[in-house]
Amino acid sequence: EPEVTQTPSHQVTQMGQEVILRCVPISNHLYFYWYRQILGQKVEFLVSFYNNEISEKSEIFDDQFSVERPDGSNFTLKIRSTKLEDSAMYFCASSALVTNYGYTFGSGTRLTVV
Amino acid sequence: GESVGLHLPTLSVQEGDNSIINCAYSNSASDYFIWYKQESGKGPQFIIDIRSNMDKRQGQRVTVLLNKTVKHLSLQIAATQPGDSAVYFCAENIGGAQKLVFGQGTRLTINP
Repeated sequence: EPEVTQTPSHQVTQMGQEVILRCVPISNHLYFYWYRQILGQKVEFLVSFYNNEISEKSEIFDDQFSVERPDGSNFTLKIRSTKLEDSAMYFCASSALVTNYGYTFGSGTRLTVV
Repeated sequence: GESVGLHLPTLSVQEGDNSIINCAYSNSASDYFIWYKQESGKGPQFIIDIRSNMDKRQGQRVTVLLNKTVKHLSLQIAATQPGDSAVYFCAENIGGAQKLVFGQGTRLTINP
């Protein structure tokens, strides 16, 4: 069964450092997403990406965040200067041509900012 | 493993019994709903979905019911097994929007 792959599974970083979280979406999917889940809270939408541009973003997704599809397979989330409150699980997801069809999540990257 | 949802609503059932997990959604314009299962330290795993033009949809051991009048969604799991223990989230989507909006989640524990 096709799956969304995320690396690394766990990242520890110093406050103020830049981090890049990586994702390989399902190959025939065209919509890509990032979500986060702070410990003990619900999953929250960050951003969606289609046709090489951001199509929707939440209030959480401020200027410290950026996304990129550097090649035909990877989708990345960059946090420029991490804060303690950025500590969370970050989930990548992708869906097929028809929006939300086959919406599939990766296993997540646990980001710990110290 | 990671503990998700320290103050989640909880439901405990005996192995083999049926369970019903409920969800109230917020937006009357939502037209697509998904139930996800999340095990400790893992990402949300798709269980079943339903569109707003349906009231009921069945899968293997799972049934989703949608009541648009009261904006209520439920997930029924038949003949529960230990592997069903997890946190269950409902998520809603408004047609044309990209994002899913997740509910708070319910922790289901299956007792042997």
